[in-house]
Amino acid sequence: SFELTQPPSVSVSPGQTASITCSGDVLGDQYACWYQQKPGQSPVVVMYQDSKRPSGIPERFSGSKSGNTATLTISGTQTMDEADYYCQAWDTRTGVFGSGTRVTVL
Amino acid sequence: QVQLQESGPGLVKPSETLSLTCTVSGGSISSYYWSWIRQPPGKGLEWIGYIYYSGSTNYNPSLKSRVTISVDTSKNHFSLNLSSVTAADTAVYYCARLTNSPERVVYFFDYWGQGTLVTVSS
Repeated sequence: SFELTQPPSVSVSPGQTASITCSGDVLGDQYACWYQQKPGQSPVVVMYQDSKRPSGIPERFSGSKSGNTATLTISGTQTMDEADYYCQAWDTRTGVFGSGTRVTVL
Repeated sequence: QVQLQESGPGLVKPSETLSLTCTVSGGSISSYYWSWIRQPPGKGLEWIGYIYYSGSTNYNPSLKSRVTISVDTSKNHFSLNLSSVTAADTAVYYCARLTNSPERVVYFFDYWGQGTLVTVSS
C-alpha cells in the first residue's frame, strides 16, 4: 500500500495565503485530487488532476505539484475556508486519502 | 442534479455483517464507477472500494477479505457488505460517484451522499 502525508494543521490569517502539502511516492507519476470537508458535511472536491478547479470552486483555490509533493494553495483565505482538507490519489486502481489537514483561519 | 442517499442499520453487533445501500437519483447508475468511503469519528477518510455499473470491482487491500460491493442497475443502487465487523469499523459511511476528468486521465469523487453513521456495538 502507499501513503500520502499531510501536515495535521495549518493556521492562516484572513486574507493571507494558506498552503497545504501532500507528499507520497505515488505522486511522482499519479495525479492528486483535493477535497474540502466542513464539520458535519460531506467532502467536496476542490481540485483534481493536480491543478484543475471544478466549476463552482472559487479562483482563490489553486493546485500544483512538484516531484512527489502536491500543494493546495488558498489565496486571500476567507473564514468560510476553515475546514479539513484531504488529498487523494490512485495507484494501480487502489485509492488512498491523505491523513488530512485542518485549516484554521484566525 | 445527481443525489446519493445511503441507507441501512445504524447499529450492528460485533462479528456480524454491515450492509448498506446507496440509492442514486437524478441520473443513471450506468456508465460510472461508484464507491464507498468511510470516516471513523474524529478521523480521516478511508477508501473502501468501487464498482463499475457493469459489476467489476476493486477493493482496499486492507479490507478486501471482508468487503463485497454489488450493483443493481434496475434499482439504480449499489450496496456494501462488510463482514465480521468490530468496533474499529464504527464510522460514517459515504457513497460517492467517480467521474473521469475531461482529459480522461484521472478519476475523482464528484458527488457524495450525506453519510450514515454505523456503530458496531453489542
